[in-house]
Amino acid sequence: QVQLVESGGGVVQPGGSLRLSCAASGFTFNNYGMHWVRQAPGKGLEWVAFIRYDGSSKYYADSVKGRFTISRDNSKNTLYAQMNSLRAEDTAVYFCAKGFSNWSLDYWGQGTLVTVSS
Amino acid sequence: QSALTQPPSASGSPGQSVTISCTGTSSDVGGCNYVSWYQQHPGKAPKLMIYEVSERPSGVPDRFSGSKSGVTASLTVSGLQAEDEADYYCSSCAGSNNLVFGGGTKLTVL
Repeated sequence: QVQLVESGGGVVQPGGSLRLSCAASGFTFNNYGMHWVRQAPGKGLEWVAFIRYDGSSKYYADSVKGRFTISRDNSKNTLYAQMNSLRAEDTAVYFCAKGFSNWSLDYWGQGTLVTVSS
Repeated sequence: QSALTQPPSASGSPGQSVTISCTGTSSDVGGCNYVSWYQQHPGKAPKLMIYEVSERPSGVPDRFSGSKSGVTASLTVSGLQAEDEADYYCSSCAGSNNLVFGGGTKLTVL
């Protein structure tokens, strides 16, 4: 069965950096695009970034463009998010999700909490 | 990208039908046939319920249906059941290579 397990969340000071990982299993990872989506406490979902199956193209929400980098290692079945220049408003649970059809996400991890606070 | 507009709440009694709307613009919902709907129970990950406006993934009951007219997409839940009580989010492709979500609707089964 498909499993997505995020890790790397924690507490970081404003301006700091954090690297999230998402370990994938149960499907052919290098056949699918992958997304990061976040959810601030008590708020709705916000799309963060997408990477194509082969890493050839990457797309970002305006709110994170220039600060976050999505990447993947298909040999390790792992998705990453490098988050720099973190702000208080980046505080959220970060989900990785498998791309399905066109711009839909059919499997989600349980999320990892990132808290940006001094 | 601005979030799509959903009503904050919706409700219905068991067995009834309820429809949740999702309003965007010509740059997203109106110009894109890749509208999806997600169900999220408290503390859980979202679950895909509808993709490409009206398609149901395997395993999703046919009580859930989707449609779109102009800049507004809709999710209808028929034969409401207690386990349908959850938050529902729509999403749509937007512009070139972006995805936007709605603000979410809390569905209460009375």
